[in-house]
Amino acid sequence: DAGVIQSPRHEVTEMGQEVTLRCKPISGHDYLFWYRQTMMRGLELLIYFNNNVPIDDSGMPEDRFSAKMPNASFSTLKIQPSEPRDSAVYFCASSWGWDSALMIEGTQYFGPGTRLLVL
Amino acid sequence: ELKVEQNPLFLSMQEGKNYTIYCNYSTTSDRLYWYRQDPGKSLESLFVLLSNGAVKQEGRLMASLDTKARLSTLHITAAVHDLSATYFCAVEGNNDMRFGAGTRLTVKP
Repeated sequence: DAGVIQSPRHEVTEMGQEVTLRCKPISGHDYLFWYRQTMMRGLELLIYFNNNVPIDDSGMPEDRFSAKMPNASFSTLKIQPSEPRDSAVYFCASSWGWDSALMIEGTQYFGPGTRLLVL
Repeated sequence: ELKVEQNPLFLSMQEGKNYTIYCNYSTTSDRLYWYRQDPGKSLESLFVLLSNGAVKQEGRLMASLDTKARLSTLHITAAVHDLSATYFCAVEGNNDMRFGAGTRLTVKP
């Protein structure tokens, strides 16, 4: 497997523009996570999905952010309109759910990240 | 609210020495993770700790979990330069995941 795939790897845009980040999880994983990393705030969980259903989006900073997972192999994180304070590295990660009977620990595998700069 | 405190934030150590990174958290947790991040790179999972008293080792790194004390440690044995990176703990609980601020480890010859 190629691992978690994210695109684009870098994005530079102007304030007010719409930004769409994409993620392809590892095949078979039933959890997908979106994170943001900044120097000021560190790593933050934005939202996560289980079997394509959003479970917790309390980390989404505001209504300008939205995430979807239309199928098991694709997810998007959209920012509309973008602002300079959204500049960060956005990571997508996927995992199997934890299952003690199957000895599945729920290790998350991270994608390479999208480095977003909003001017 | 789940809070995670990691210390030290910066650690400079000589090759061959031992040291421990600490991760304290504020509420009951389901799982605790340790990650490594190299500069400009993504996160690599090191350990997942599920239960009180859990201990896991991989090479020169050993992680442990004390759920009663709400404390996890990452112990580095006989450090080598390749271990230089930033190490994060992350605590999962109540549909939330919180990361520590990270420990930037530099191993010097």
